[in-house]
Amino acid sequence: QSALTQPASVSGSPGQSITISCTGTSSDVGAYNYVSWYQQHPDKAPKLLIYEVSDRPSGVSNRFSGSKSGNTASLTISGLQAEDEADYYCSSYTTTSTLFFGGGTKLTVL
Amino acid sequence: EVQLVESGGGLVQPGGSLRLSCAASGFGFSSYWMHWVRQAPGKGLVWLSRINSDGIRTTYADSVKGRFTISRDNAKNTLYLQMNSLRTEDTAVYYCARDLTSVTSPLHFYAMDVWGQGTTVTVSS
Repeated sequence: QSALTQPASVSGSPGQSITISCTGTSSDVGAYNYVSWYQQHPDKAPKLLIYEVSDRPSGVSNRFSGSKSGNTASLTISGLQAEDEADYYCSSYTTTSTLFFGGGTKLTVL
Repeated sequence: EVQLVESGGGLVQPGGSLRLSCAASGFGFSSYWMHWVRQAPGKGLVWLSRINSDGIRTTYADSVKGRFTISRDNAKNTLYLQMNSLRTEDTAVYYCARDLTSVTSPLHFYAMDVWGQGTTVTVSS
């Protein structure tokens, strides 16, 4: 098994919406609804944005939303803001009771 | 304040050992599952290991199975990662993280809502 597949980079202008995909297999993303998304600013610890595909922890902006179809999960950020510029990672529970992270996506706010 | 503080990182030679600690405060440590995650310089996050609340059940990534051991001391509110047979490719920042899963709910989440600041491990001769 290998890391989940994410685009290396995405970009958008302030106010726009962007979507980051996370493609796995029927042994991870497709098998369970245990998909999470994390935001990481440079030299900072990751921050949980989404868990169980689409749930937000308290305190996370509703501009962040998650979904899943088959073996692919997605994170959508609406109303892009400068402070959204960061790296984003998906993760999924797997059929072997392990977890995988995606390779990460660098979001640039133009 | 809910907090995790890692320690124990440093420079070690290939083949050597190191034990990382993660001190928890501000929450009921003994109730929560915990994880170790690492990040090599300029690279992405890699999940390493998970331990349930009472320390009975552990799971490891294939890359560290047989070399790393996760454990916890709930009386000391501390999580550990014993790392043996270290390789240069183990060089990374190591994070401990709390899972949303706790004994207060029958639900599992496999998501990490509290993270430490990380401790740096460098494996080099």
